[in-house]
Amino acid sequence: QKEVEQDPGPLSVPEGAIVSLNCTYSNSAFQYFMWYRQYSRKGPELLMYTYSSGNKEDGRFTAQVDKSSKYISLFIRDSQPSDSATYLCAMSWGGKLIFGQGTELSVKP
Amino acid sequence: KAGVTQTPRYLIKTRGQQVTLSCSPISGHRSVSWYQQTPGQGLQFLFEYFSETQRNKGNFPGRFSGRQFSNSRSEMNVSTLELGDSALYLCASSPGTGHTGELFFGEGSRLTVL
Repeated sequence: QKEVEQDPGPLSVPEGAIVSLNCTYSNSAFQYFMWYRQYSRKGPELLMYTYSSGNKEDGRFTAQVDKSSKYISLFIRDSQPSDSATYLCAMSWGGKLIFGQGTELSVKP
Repeated sequence: KAGVTQTPRYLIKTRGQQVTLSCSPISGHRSVSWYQQTPGQGLQFLFEYFSETQRNKGNFPGRFSGRQFSNSRSEMNVSTLELGDSALYLCASSPGTGHTGELFFGEGSRLTVL
């Protein structure tokens, strides 16, 4: 079993939809939780990071962490075609960053 | 501010050869990490260097090695290449202090092993 599990998709939604992306993890030592976005033929870029359980909002993006369930989510409101990318969750502990497999998202006009 | 620069962007090698990839971090960043990305395994951590010292290492065989220079530039080397080494190799830099999640990635070096 991988330390971080993420459904690879692909996920296809119409423009304007609310997107929910999720990851589960097994290592309770993880301290920081991140979401990265990777466009085709580019390196990942950090979207959001959180430290504790709860919600963190940034524009159309909301990151949610539930440490008791070992579950994190990223919500995208009013999704746009420019949001089409692969979204990777990541978690850090002990100086190492562990990534999920990534979910490929396509937002159709 | 210039981003993370990786060279070469694309390369093709044959089994048994070796390859060296280069990474120039963002100015002022002292930590450089390397990741291997494949469709099957996703992003996997190779190693991290901070101030010329390897600070963390992933679960890769000894054929994978790296180093960091005094100007924070880093190189990684893969010897005796295998077909399974075909991947996108990503370098990421960070200031090196604080939590380890805020990484700035380059665009990667895509290695194909024939």
